[in-house]
Amino acid sequence: GENVEQHPSTLSVQEGDSAVIKCTYSDSASNYFPWYKQELGKRPQLIIDIRSNVGEKKDQRIAVTLNKTAKHFSLHITETQPEDSAVYFCAAKGTGTASKLTFGTGTRLQVTL
Amino acid sequence: EPEVTQTPSHQVTQMGQEVILRCVPISNHLYFYWYRQILGQKVEFLVSFYNNEISEKSEIFDDQFSVERPDGSNFTLKIRSTKLEDSAMYFCASSEWDTQYFGPGTRLTVL
Repeated sequence: GENVEQHPSTLSVQEGDSAVIKCTYSDSASNYFPWYKQELGKRPQLIIDIRSNVGEKKDQRIAVTLNKTAKHFSLHITETQPEDSAVYFCAAKGTGTASKLTFGTGTRLQVTL
Repeated sequence: EPEVTQTPSHQVTQMGQEVILRCVPISNHLYFYWYRQILGQKVEFLVSFYNNEISEKSEIFDDQFSVERPDGSNFTLKIRSTKLEDSAMYFCASSEWDTQYFGPGTRLTVL
């Protein structure tokens, strides 16, 4: 089955700096890659996603890149703010609309003043 | 904006008891899921459900677990005889296509 690895497990950046979180996946059939932000005790909240026919997607300060050949994708957050502090999970989804999401192990991002 | 809702927010039960966790998916969504998250760990898939039947289930989803859509709005997860290791946050999710939206979760504590 699919296996998703995520690095780093913790990341501390100063406000205004950029943060990059990287994920790799094992199943070349996976074709949809969402990123979720989870604040303590809250639900995972979708922040951006990318499909396998696209190499890059941007939404204001957040961008995601996908390298299908290397089977890795990354989340980039620019101009970080304290409210960006949370745990971020990447995920991969196989073909089939009801296919499960396989999550990475999460990255705890701390944005310091 | 419509959201997935879940009840209860917190459930405390004794080992061996049955629990039912309830979810109301987003109204026009056809695909439903249950995931769980043990404290401090990643989100793990349990089961997906479409057209009144299970589409896929993980090895966690053994005979103690069952899902049901008893009416047009609710989607339930039943654990027949809870074990200590079932203590976790249980998230329901729904989707129209690829994008899955998560509910706020039910924290299950088994004593």
